[in-house]
Amino acid sequence: KNEVEQSPQNLTAQEGEFITINCSYSVGISALHWLQQHPGGGIVSLFMLSSGKKKHGRLIATINIQEKHSSLHITASHPRDSAVYICAVARSYNTDKLIFGTGTRLQVFP
Amino acid sequence: KAGVTQTPRYLIKTRGQQVTLSCSPISGHRSVSWYQQTPGQGLQFLFEYFSETQRNKGNFPGRFSGRQFSNSRSEMNVSTLELGDSALYLCASSLVNGVGELFFGEGSRLTVL
Repeated sequence: KNEVEQSPQNLTAQEGEFITINCSYSVGISALHWLQQHPGGGIVSLFMLSSGKKKHGRLIATINIQEKHSSLHITASHPRDSAVYICAVARSYNTDKLIFGTGTRLQVFP
Repeated sequence: KAGVTQTPRYLIKTRGQQVTLSCSPISGHRSVSWYQQTPGQGLQFLFEYFSETQRNKGNFPGRFSGRQFSNSRSEMNVSTLELGDSALYLCASSLVNGVGELFFGEGSRLTVL
């Protein structure tokens, strides 16, 4: 069993829909990252969380440390949100040694 | 502010050869980390550096090595290339390991024939 699990693996949505991507982990962590990867490979960091909730534009990320679970929400989805979303965790402080989930491929159609 | 720069972007090598990849972090960032992405294994951590010191190494054979220079630029080297080393190699920089956002380069796509 992977230490970081994401669901769903694939997600299709219509423009404007509310989207949720889930991440569960089985190890103790110091931080959780949400990353976005577009075709071609480039990765953009969306959020780094250690507790609570963060919001940036139409993106919201939450984490529940006790339940070892995080969610990434996209409100009013748009075709440009189409990408692979990756959850990754750091097991200790002061490190960028991350354990990655397998990613969620999102396609948003107009 | 220039982003993280990786060179070369694409390269083709044959089995047994060696390769060196370069990563220039964002100005002022002292931490560089390297990751390998393959279709089969996904993203995996290779190593991370801070102030020319390797802080952590992932579970990769000794053929994979790296270093960081005094200007924070980093290189990774893979010797005796195998077909399975074909991958996208990504580096990321941050101000300090584990503190704040990671900034990724576009990656170096290595094909081993």
